[in-house]
Amino acid sequence: AQTVTQSQPEMSVQEAETVTLSCTYDTSENNYYLFWYKQPPSRQMILVIRQEAYKQQNATENRFSVNFQKAAKSFSLKISDSQLGDTAMYFCAFMNLISNFGNEKLTFGTGTRLTIIP
Amino acid sequence: EPEVTQTPSHQVTQMGQEVILRCVPISNHLYFYWYRQILGQKVEFLVSFYNNEISEKSEIFDDQFSVERPDGSNFTLKIRSTKLEDSAMYFCASSVGTAFRATNEKLFFGSGTQLSVL
Repeated sequence: AQTVTQSQPEMSVQEAETVTLSCTYDTSENNYYLFWYKQPPSRQMILVIRQEAYKQQNATENRFSVNFQKAAKSFSLKISDSQLGDTAMYFCAFMNLISNFGNEKLTFGTGTRLTIIP
Repeated sequence: EPEVTQTPSHQVTQMGQEVILRCVPISNHLYFYWYRQILGQKVEFLVSFYNNEISEKSEIFDDQFSVERPDGSNFTLKIRSTKLEDSAMYFCASSVGTAFRATNEKLFFGSGTQLSVL
């Protein structure tokens, strides 16, 4: 079974600064996807960024980027120029790709509560 | 952007009662999921559903739980006899295909139903 570990329960950073959230995972599989989801106080789950394991290039989405280290099984999220609206819970998630359709499920970490300080 | 709709947003019930949580996935989506999040904890996979049958379920999804797509548009989660520990936020999610095999595909989450069992 896969596990996802987020070792930082809470973090805070000044507005406009850069922050990095860490995530490690454990799997024996070779084909998988990794995700970062944002959960604001409304508790809706919002996809921030995704990374395909077969791609060596790190994914980026505007101010959000990842540092994917496949050998180390590490998948950190960097938020540049942080904004007040970035305040939320951030979950790292893993999905194994298997051949049976419909059997793809996300395994989430325990989350990091990020607070952006004005 | 299309949305997954969940109703009700909040549901309060007495222990031992049956509840049905409703979801309207995005209309052209074929894969459906339920996840739950106990307050302060991580999001956990419950069940995936494709082609009118369960594809995979977790150990949480015991005989008290069932899912149904009764009319081609709704996707429901039924808990037959609720327990105190069923209190959680329940998220419905859907995807158009095998969610992650195409770069532009993603899993869409609803806003959740907060279930409180008294």
